[in-house]
Amino acid sequence: GDSVTQMEGPVTLSEEAFLTINCTYTATGYPSLFWYVQYPGEGLQLLLKATKADDKGSNKGFEATYRKETTSFHLEKGSVQVSDSAVYFCALTSSGGSYIPTFGRGTSLIVHP
Amino acid sequence: SAVISQKPSRDICQRGTSLTIQCQVDSQVTMMFWYRQQPGQSLTLIATANQGSEATYESGFVIDKFPISRPNLTFSTLTVSNMSPEDSSIYLCSVEGEGRPNEQFFGPGTRLTVL
Repeated sequence: GDSVTQMEGPVTLSEEAFLTINCTYTATGYPSLFWYVQYPGEGLQLLLKATKADDKGSNKGFEATYRKETTSFHLEKGSVQVSDSAVYFCALTSSGGSYIPTFGRGTSLIVHP
Repeated sequence: SAVISQKPSRDICQRGTSLTIQCQVDSQVTMMFWYRQQPGQSLTLIATANQGSEATYESGFVIDKFPISRPNLTFSTLTVSNMSPEDSSIYLCSVEGEGRPNEQFFGPGTRLTVL
């Protein structure tokens, strides 16, 4: 079945540091890929998505590129802020089935001033 | 995008009791979803709730433990029955984006602690 693997957290960075959160997936066909963010005390929000190979999703300074050859969708940001502290979830939806996403375990990001 | 509210936002309950969580959406939606997020874990889908029919439960979840109601297109409830400490989790409801079936919108969650 489909699965998503994320790097273990927490990831702890200083403000303005470069961020990478790794995400790899296993799926048949051509899934759509997502990053969701969960700020403290809130539900998940869609951060960005990519629906086909080589697509780049971007939002709020975050980017991720759909790499089919490496089955990866790593999240990056060039300069993090304290307000980026949250839990980040990588997810996919299958191309031929339901639209219910399969989530990774989440990676906690802590940004210090 | 859909705006989703949940009640209660958190609760502390005694073993053996039941808690009903409410989910309200600001627009009519066909399907609503209930997830469980255990500490340090990913989201696990409990069930899909369509208006006018019984909920569809995922493997490992049963209606006797997690009865769901879906009386109309904007509202659903999830009951956690006969609770044990293992039920301590965040429970989230979500809906698909209108015209954007690949995207999900989530409520703020209900943080449940069972003593």
